[in-house]
Amino acid sequence: GNSVTQMEGPVTLSEEAFLTINCTYTATGYPSLFWYVQYPGEGLQLLLKATKADDKGSNKGFEATYRKETTSFHLEKGSVQVSDSAVYFCAHLGGTGGYNKLIFGAGTRLAVHP
Amino acid sequence: NAGVTQTPKFRVLKTGQSMTLLCAQDMNHEYMYWYRQDPGMGLRLIHYSVGEGTTAKGEVPDGYNVSRLKKQNFLLGLESAAPSQTSVYFCASSPSGGRFYEQYFGPGTRLTVT
Repeated sequence: GNSVTQMEGPVTLSEEAFLTINCTYTATGYPSLFWYVQYPGEGLQLLLKATKADDKGSNKGFEATYRKETTSFHLEKGSVQVSDSAVYFCAHLGGTGGYNKLIFGAGTRLAVHP
Repeated sequence: NAGVTQTPKFRVLKTGQSMTLLCAQDMNHEYMYWYRQDPGMGLRLIHYSVGEGTTAKGEVPDGYNVSRLKKQNFLLGLESAAPSQTSVYFCASSPSGGRFYEQYFGPGTRLTVT
């Protein structure tokens, strides 16, 4: 069935370090892919998206490339800041019965220290 | 704009008690959703609505009921709470059609059932 697998956290980094959060998915066909971010005490926000293979989504210095060969959508950032500390969720569109829905991974917590 | 708001933020219930969670959005979105978030799991869709007066079941609807009497409000009810319903509940809203994945989330309600 449809699913999303993310690397387990927490991921702890020093400021200005390089970030990678792995995400792989299982789905029928090539669904649109998303990264959402949840800052402490807040709801999730859409961070970036990619709608077809080889697309690169980017926002706020974060990037992710849709790799259909490896069914992956890894999140990267070249230099993290303390303000990037949050929980990151990978998701894809899935569903049956005429309704598309978002299928989320379990989330990866990122903690960035000065 | 307030975006998506949820009431209450925290609640403790005893087994068998009932309660209603209120979600309100001021973005004139057609679609609204209720999710639950449990440790080690992604967000799971409980119920959703594609317009005023409509509701539909998501992945984990058992033990919950919903109502969408007004476009801006989406209520989630627990008729007889069980410890398995201890979770963080998120409401979200989105535009209809092709941009439904641009979901805007509320800050969540942390519910504990003892």
